[in-house]
Amino acid sequence: GDSVTQMEGPVTLSEEAFLTINCTYTATGYPSLFWYVQYPGEGLQLLLKATKADDKGSNKGFEATYRKETTSFHLEKGSVQVSDSAVYFCANYGGATNKLIFGTGTLLAVQP
Amino acid sequence: GAGVSQSPSNKVTEKGKDVELRCDPISGHTALYWYRQRLGQGLEFLIYFQGNSAPDKSGLPSDRFSAERTGESVSTLTIQRTQQEDSAVYLCASSLWAGQGNTGELFFGEGSRLTVL
Repeated sequence: GDSVTQMEGPVTLSEEAFLTINCTYTATGYPSLFWYVQYPGEGLQLLLKATKADDKGSNKGFEATYRKETTSFHLEKGSVQVSDSAVYFCANYGGATNKLIFGTGTLLAVQP
Repeated sequence: GAGVSQSPSNKVTEKGKDVELRCDPISGHTALYWYRQRLGQGLEFLIYFQGNSAPDKSGLPSDRFSAERTGESVSTLTIQRTQQEDSAVYLCASSLWAGQGNTGELFFGEGSRLTVL
């Protein structure tokens, strides 16, 4: 069945460091891919998405490229800030399943 | 409403009691989803509705869990005879529709935190 695997955390970085959170997926057909973020004490919110191969989603300095050949959707940011500290979830949505399948989440802690 | 609304935001109950969690989706969204998030874990799919019907109930953990939706709007998740392992945050989300052509963006509520003593 459809699944998402993302790197385990926690990831601890200093401010202005480069961030990569790896995500790979399995899916039937051509899913849409997402990164959701959950800031401390807040609800889950969409960070970025890509709906087809080679699309790049971007928002708030974060980027992820839909790579069909490697079934990956790695999240990157060139220079993280303390305010980026949160839990990041990779997810795929397949038209065959009609539901979002989430990874286990990666806790990012950015230190000043 | 402007966003997905869930109630109660916090619920503490005793083992063996029944609880009801409510979700009010974004107006006009025909698809509604329930997920569970246990402490330190990812999001676990429970059930989704398209309109008032539930094509996929595969994630409900046991027959103590049930959900319904009426008027293509409000949904209620009911947990009977609660157990300590039911303690979690229950998240509701909605989207325009589920299925062909939907790119899958879901809008989440802030969740109902359930603690079973």
